[in-house]
Amino acid sequence: GESVGLHLPTLSVQEGDNSIINCAYSNSASDYFIWYKQESGKGPQFIIDIRSNMDKRQGQRVTVLLNKTVKHLSLQIAATQPGDSAVYFCAEISTTDKLIFGTGTRLQVFP
Amino acid sequence: NAGVMQNPRHLVRRRGQEARLRCSPVKGHSHVYWYRQLPEEGLKFMVYLQKENIIDESGMPKERFSAEFPKEGPSILRIQQVVRGDSAAYFCASSPAGSSYEQYFGPGTRLTVT
Repeated sequence: GESVGLHLPTLSVQEGDNSIINCAYSNSASDYFIWYKQESGKGPQFIIDIRSNMDKRQGQRVTVLLNKTVKHLSLQIAATQPGDSAVYFCAEISTTDKLIFGTGTRLQVFP
Repeated sequence: NAGVMQNPRHLVRRRGQEARLRCSPVKGHSHVYWYRQLPEEGLKFMVYLQKENIIDESGMPKERFSAEFPKEGPSILRIQQVVRGDSAAYFCASSPAGSSYEQYFGPGTRLTVT
């Protein structure tokens, strides 16, 4: 079946360092991926997306990399700030238009 | 603020009672999605609706759960005869027609069954 999963449940980084959050997916037919940020008590917030015809996409302080060969996604956050502390989810759009989420990685930023 | 609105934000029900969760989509959005999130887990798809039509309910339990999105008014997720295992956060998302990748999420309803 389809599944999206993450390697690390918790990531602790020092303020100012770069963060890398990883995600593996199993459906090689997926053509659209999204990273969401979820702060405590709130709904998921869109960060960045990428289509399967791309390897890399950059936003403000964030970069998503897609490796279709090994079915792997990563989210890179540059100069991590305390406000980046949250749970991060990768998700894919299924062929039936629903989002399939991974289990999440908690990012903790220390001063 | 024209974002997705959900109410109530917190809902406490005793076992056997009914829970009704409401979702008002972004103005102009005709598609609504419901997801359930257990503590420390990702969101799990439940149901996808358009106005007056259920598109995909493959994630919805077959019993006690129902959803609607009427022509007028909010989308409703209804859970009858709640059990403790129904305790979770329920999120609604909405998208414009033909743009399921543009799902905007509401703040969620946290259901606690005692």
